[in-house]
Amino acid sequence: AQSVAQPEDQVNVAEGNPLTVKCTYSVSGNPYLFWYVQYPNRGLQFLLKYITGDNLVKGSYGFEAEFNKSQTSFHLKKPSALVSDSALYFCAVRDKSGGSYIPTFGRGTSLIVHP
Amino acid sequence: GAGVSQSPRYKVAKRGQDVALRCDPISGHVSLFWYQQALGQGPEFLTYFQNEAQLDKSGLPSDRFFAERPEGSVSTLKIQRTQQEDSAVYLCASSSDPSTDTQYFGPGTRLTVL
Repeated sequence: AQSVAQPEDQVNVAEGNPLTVKCTYSVSGNPYLFWYVQYPNRGLQFLLKYITGDNLVKGSYGFEAEFNKSQTSFHLKKPSALVSDSALYFCAVRDKSGGSYIPTFGRGTSLIVHP
Repeated sequence: GAGVSQSPRYKVAKRGQDVALRCDPISGHVSLFWYQQALGQGPEFLTYFQNEAQLDKSGLPSDRFFAERPEGSVSTLKIQRTQQEDSAVYLCASSSDPSTDTQYFGPGTRLTVL
């Protein structure tokens, strides 16, 4: 079985400050991990993914995420937040060894960046 | 190039009506996924196609839900005898290689059942 948890429903940060959106996962084998962003009335847009290799993954719009196997986490980070980063963020996981192509998404975290 | 498109963007149905939701994936993408997203929740898997073959339909909530992709490109999700609990956003996503690749999502169809 695979699952993902986003422990914060909402994250508030001031523009220019660093931001972190948390994600932890559970899989039987090794994970594929993804972050997506959703703006109002829009579908999900891909930000970044961890498949293998370097634990620090860099993605679109200055976002990055660090895969931490011992803590089973994949937190999303950005050094300096923009008001335009305000949106809903989803973490997703898929078990590499499961043979299924179906990811499991978290419930989402609403990021609010204040001017 | 063109992304994933879905139509209609909004659909209002009376309880008991049948609805059909369309997804046009990115050209050449082998895999196609349907998800249901309830308000305040993440996407929940409904069904998965590889070309025209429906390989997984374990997420379809009842036998009122039916999906097809007869020619391996456009897909239709049909809901028969709609119920209020079917109200949600239905998302379609496609990918070129489901084993490692990114899923690209359409804008979704917001279904409201009155």
